[in-house]
Amino acid sequence: DVKVTQSSRYLVKRTGEKVFLECVQDMDHENMFWYRQDPGLGLRLIYFSYDVKMKEKGDIPEGYSVSREKKERFSLILESASTNQTSMYLCASSYWASGGGEQFFGPGTRLTVL
Amino acid sequence: DAKTTQPPSMDCAEGRAANLPCNHSTISGNEYVYWYRQIHSQGPQYIIHGLKNNETNEMASLIITEDRKSSTLILPHATLRDTAVYYCIVRVLNPNTGNQFYFGTGTSLTVIP
Repeated sequence: DVKVTQSSRYLVKRTGEKVFLECVQDMDHENMFWYRQDPGLGLRLIYFSYDVKMKEKGDIPEGYSVSREKKERFSLILESASTNQTSMYLCASSYWASGGGEQFFGPGTRLTVL
Repeated sequence: DAKTTQPPSMDCAEGRAANLPCNHSTISGNEYVYWYRQIHSQGPQYIIHGLKNNETNEMASLIITEDRKSSTLILPHATLRDTAVYYCIVRVLNPNTGNQFYFGTGTSLTVIP
């Protein structure tokens, strides 16, 4: 079974702190994604990566950066956390495939910024 | 980019078929329709996807209209464990970077005993 793991299920940080959210997948997928999920807004794409060291902005990249140094690991970084970044963060991965490309999701990290 | 519209909530009696509609009137010819569901406190789970033809797997059936402007996800015999938020998604293929998924707010399905 494909497994996508995220470093924490729950995280509490203070305003201004630097926050790292880690995601690891074990299926050699090319693509990895970071979403945030907020009530009434659904899932919104922050960043995605289609290869090591490659990244593309999603719909809401402001206030975030990402790092992909190894194929299996994709990190989301909040350089200076703010209260409006309190949210559920979901990581996903998929093969690069023109005819398919199902995304597999991790369990999510619920981040609270005080 | 094509986007989707779904009713915010639906109820279904246990054991009956649940029919979840989705409108994607601006979908392009090469854009796939995907369905995912999310049970509370878990990450979304893939259900099924299709391009033009109807599809069926062990979880559900997907009916896509001939003009591809709408689709329906069918859970043939809903159980209490099917209570979840169901997302209808259009997958846009970027030739350079791969897939991008556009999630909406989904339909909250409640299966009633």
